[in-house]
Amino acid sequence: GAVVSQHPSRVICKSGTSVKIECRSLDFQATTMFWYRQFPKQSLMLMATSNEGSKATYEQGVEKDKFLINHASLTLSTLTVTSAHPEDSSFYICSASGVNQPQHFGDGTRLSIL
Amino acid sequence: AQSVTQLDSQVPVFEEAPVELRCNYSSSVSVYLFWYVQYPNQGLQLLLKYLSGSTLVKGINGFEAEFNKSQTSFHLRKPSVHISDTAEYFCAVTEGLTGGGNKLTFGTGTQLKVEL
Repeated sequence: GAVVSQHPSRVICKSGTSVKIECRSLDFQATTMFWYRQFPKQSLMLMATSNEGSKATYEQGVEKDKFLINHASLTLSTLTVTSAHPEDSSFYICSASGVNQPQHFGDGTRLSIL
Repeated sequence: AQSVTQLDSQVPVFEEAPVELRCNYSSSVSVYLFWYVQYPNQGLQLLLKYLSGSTLVKGINGFEAEFNKSQTSFHLRKPSVHISDTAEYFCAVTEGLTGGGNKLTFGTGTQLKVEL
């Protein structure tokens, strides 16, 4: 089946640094990518939807200047958490969708801000 | 707007016993329904999906679900669980299938805990 690769799987960094998470669709063209955030023992919360070549659409309450999303190609989307703080610590999951392709999920990134 | 309700946050069950995880949804239009499984520190893996046709859907790992339009339900079942089925299970709904229309709404999840 379709594969979505998310990298890194885990990152630990100091408060104030920026962290970039990559999401790649390996065997199909991802016209749309989704970014989710998941708090411990909770469901996935959609943060934003990005279409290739367009600006991302953010969900209500998500700071677009804090969570920068780039979807420059049909196989790659990135999420950059800028000036990360401890409250940004979470599990971030991406998914990719395309023509005749429902959402396929990456394995997630565990972000820990010290 | 669409929504998904998973009433059971946790379901303990003994190995080899049957299990049912409940999911109810609400939507003003036709929807497509999914069940995902999440193991600790991993992403989501698709168990099964209902798109159209037969209301009884069979998925991976011996799971099945039945779409009931009148009761707006999509309960997940397995006749005999295994220890390895211990995981978090999410029910999800979408009004579109691909591209930007494929915006999933997730339930709050059900933790299935299989005990010896």
